[in-house]
Amino acid sequence: GQQVMQIPQYQHVQEGEDFTTYCNSSTTLSNIQWYKQRPGGHPVFLIQLVKSGEVKKQKRLTFQFGEAKKNSSLHITATQTTDVGTYFCAGYKGSTLGRLYFGRGTQLTVWP
Amino acid sequence: GAGVSQSPSNKVTEKGKDVELRCDPISGHTALYWYRQSLGQGLEFLIYFQGNSAPDKSGLPSDRFSAERTGGSVSTLTIQRTQQEDSAVYLCASSLVRLITGAENSPLHFGNGTRLTVT
Repeated sequence: GQQVMQIPQYQHVQEGEDFTTYCNSSTTLSNIQWYKQRPGGHPVFLIQLVKSGEVKKQKRLTFQFGEAKKNSSLHITATQTTDVGTYFCAGYKGSTLGRLYFGRGTQLTVWP
Repeated sequence: GAGVSQSPSNKVTEKGKDVELRCDPISGHTALYWYRQSLGQGLEFLIYFQGNSAPDKSGLPSDRFSAERTGGSVSTLTIQRTQQEDSAVYLCASSLVRLITGAENSPLHFGNGTRLTVT
């Protein structure tokens, strides 16, 4: 079954609007990673969050890791057409390298 | 190589035939993953290797699917007696061994995938 839930599945925004995707796990995650997949491409690593309550920024992108390390969010301020793609969260559970659980992804469409 | 290489990039096969998909990970990456992505869907975990061993095979959909890795490098995913529902993009990814300190984990580096179409 789905180990990491991600919502929404689709998001359509006008260029300049903000966008947020949410990731939630029923169990504590060791860390969380975010990936972006452009149409026709493969997932590319964006960032990793490790600490409880951690917040990281990459230009217009803000990533948060929840206090309980069970949820995470990605927020894009003032979207641009270059932001188009599918954003995936992914987390490891436990203390050993193993299966990386991916969310189903949020497909972002940006209208010019 | 500079990145993860997968071959073939596209494969069309008839139902019932066997197919082999190949993955060349980044040199030095000991962990290797296979995922499957159907059109517009998320990433479905299939199997991962640590070195040549596969600690977690639970994602393989059926006994028609098998994978091996030799020399801690190249991996082959084999699908026997292909079915139409096997049509998807098969993605391979590799990463460095997880660091012991803290909870850092190396990110996955994905190949461009093999698009499998079963007619």
